[in-house]
Amino acid sequence: KAGVTQTPRYLIKTRGQQVTLSCSPISGHRSVSWYQQTPGQGLQFLFEYFSETQRNKGNFPGRFSGRQFSNSRSEMNVSTLELGDSALYLCASRLPGGDTQYFGPGTRLTVL
Amino acid sequence: DQQVKQNSPSLSVQEGRISILNCDYTNSMFDYFLWYKKYPAEGPTFLISISSIKDKNEDGRFTVFLNKSAKHLSLHIVPSQPGDSAVYFCAAINAGKSTFGDGTTLTVKP
Repeated sequence: KAGVTQTPRYLIKTRGQQVTLSCSPISGHRSVSWYQQTPGQGLQFLFEYFSETQRNKGNFPGRFSGRQFSNSRSEMNVSTLELGDSALYLCASRLPGGDTQYFGPGTRLTVL
Repeated sequence: DQQVKQNSPSLSVQEGRISILNCDYTNSMFDYFLWYKKYPAEGPTFLISISSIKDKNEDGRFTVFLNKSAKHLSLHIVPSQPGDSAVYFCAAINAGKSTFGDGTTLTVKP
């Protein structure tokens, strides 16, 4: 089975721009979660989608949004980028009812 | 309020010795705990887990201990190998939602 894939792997943007990141979960996984990883901050939970509905949300401003499509693929959007948004954005999928998350390689976003 | 804490940002051990990574949590509603390992430029990968109804789970060189009264979780790696050098995250689950610690960078010296 193919693992979780994320595109693009690397992205450079400037302040004020917006960005869209994409995640394709493992086949059969309907839950997709997004995390932000910054040095010293661990993995900060952004949101989780299940069957195209947002099920959980972390403590991030409204500039961070997401969606999930009927094929379980998910996108994350960040508008009005700030320097502090520079981070590794990780997507993870899991089976319905499963606790183990399977992570993609991440998208490294740099905001200049 | 950080519900899952890994108080040691880094740990260095000699090859062949034991590595002990610690994790503390505050929410007594967490009912499942996992450890993930992360290499640079890769996403975290699942290592080992434990249910709140158990106090120990072993898988090869890796053992996870859970002390519910102390709200403390630890991962033991014996013997440690240079390939174990990575960032280790503990995660706690409540109602299907995972909360991660900040990670501990383990360095195993040959």
